[in-house]
Amino acid sequence: DAKTTQPNSMESNEEEPVHLPCNHSTISGTDYIHWYRQLPSQGPEYVIHGLTSNVNNRMASLAIAEDRKSSTLILHRATLRDAAVYYCILRGRDDKIIFGKGTRLHILP
Amino acid sequence: ETGVTQTPRHLVMGMTNKKSLKCEQHLGHNAMYWYKQSAKKPLELMFVYSLEERVENNSVPSRFSPECPNSSHLFLHLHTLQPEDSALYLCASSQDGAAWGELFFGEGSRLTVL
Repeated sequence: DAKTTQPNSMESNEEEPVHLPCNHSTISGTDYIHWYRQLPSQGPEYVIHGLTSNVNNRMASLAIAEDRKSSTLILHRATLRDAAVYYCILRGRDDKIIFGKGTRLHILP
Repeated sequence: ETGVTQTPRHLVMGMTNKKSLKCEQHLGHNAMYWYKQSAKKPLELMFVYSLEERVENNSVPSRFSPECPNSSHLFLHLHTLQPEDSALYLCASSQDGAAWGELFFGEGSRLTVL
């Protein structure tokens, strides 16, 4: 199975941008890069996904390296409600979504 | 409110009990999933149903028995569980199982086995 590597935890100040890195050196050409987050006491929620090009939505931006071996989730202006565990996941044609340990993001007021 | 509803939200059961967890999705999706989340562990994929057929069973013990009677409902039947089965059980759904499709999760059922 394709795997991702993320830092265990990160801190950021409120109202500042946050860049969450993810390495996926064994990604295949058909794998999509997905990001989910899990707030305390809730199920995971979808954040964003991409294949090759950078992507933007109302929640975040996804920057994908040209060789696709890494990506960065960007929260443009973090709030206290963004404190969560963020998961970077590769999803291929086999339909499995396998979660790793993710990055626990702490937001400092 | 999410489009995926799980009941009960909390369940306490003894090792000899039989209980069931229920999941219902209101999104018109045709794939449903069970995940287990134990303390300090990543989410573990347990079962995947696509078009009401089980397409994935990740070596889950037989004391967990899934059932998908239609594309909107998914059950997890529990019997003779062990204390180490205490965890948050999460249901999710998606459309078509496509690699670009997103999963929608319920809020989970917190299970405690005494």
